[in-house]
Amino acid sequence: RKEVEQDPGPFNVPEGATVAFNCTYSNSASQSFFWYRQDCRKEPKLLMSVYSSGNEDGRFTAQLNRASQYISLLIRDSKLSDSATYLCVVNRDIYGGSQGNLIFGKGTKLSVKP
Amino acid sequence: NAGVTQTPKFRILKIGQSMTLQCAQDMNHNYMYWYRQDPGMGLKLIYYSVGAGITDKGEVPNGYNVSRSTTEDFPLRLELAAPSQTSVYFCASMHSGNQPQHFGDGTRLSIL
Repeated sequence: RKEVEQDPGPFNVPEGATVAFNCTYSNSASQSFFWYRQDCRKEPKLLMSVYSSGNEDGRFTAQLNRASQYISLLIRDSKLSDSATYLCVVNRDIYGGSQGNLIFGKGTKLSVKP
Repeated sequence: NAGVTQTPKFRILKIGQSMTLQCAQDMNHNYMYWYRQDPGMGLKLIYYSVGAGITDKGEVPNGYNVSRSTTEDFPLRLELAAPSQTSVYFCASMHSGNQPQHFGDGTRLSIL
C-alpha cells in the first residue's frame, strides 16, 4: 500500500452537489491528519485538520477511521470556488510526530461546473 | 502577517549555474521544509530542519543543499543547475510536531 493514496479524479460535479473524497494511509502509527486545498499553480493551503471524532467546518466534514486507516472529506452544496485539488496529508513519524514530516497525497482534482 | 515568504517568485537559469532560493518565516516556527512539485505531481520533500543548526535530507536531496543559521531563514542552494530541477519549489514551516504546515507561495524555476 502507498503511504497515502487518493483517487486522482477528476471529479466533475454541478454546483450544489455533494462530493466525497477518500484517502487511505499505510502507517498505523500516524497521529496527525489534514486536508489541504491547492489551486492551480498556487501553494497548498490548510483546509482543515481531521480529528478522531470527526469534525465539521461549514460545508466541509472530515472523518477519520483509524481501524481502516481511512480519511474522508465531504463537501456539501459545492460552489464554483471549490474547484481545486484536495490533498490528503498524514504525518510520517512513527514516534508521535516529533519531526513533523508530513506525507502529501497526490491529490484529487475537483471541478465544479455551473 | 507575512507568514512564510519566498524569493524570488520566478527564475530562469542556464544549465550549470547556481542560485539560492530564499525562505523566511516570521512565526517563530522551529520546523521548516523545502518541497518541489513537478507538473501534475505531488509534493516531494527535499530537505527539512527541526531547528536552527539542524538540517536533514528528505526523499529527493540530490543536487541541493540547505543551511539553517537562524530560526527565521532556511535557504535552499542549487549548485549546478540541471534541467531535471525545473520545478515549483515550496517552503513551509510549522510550530511543532502534529501541527499543520504553512506554505510560502512558491518559486517557479526553469533551467534551460
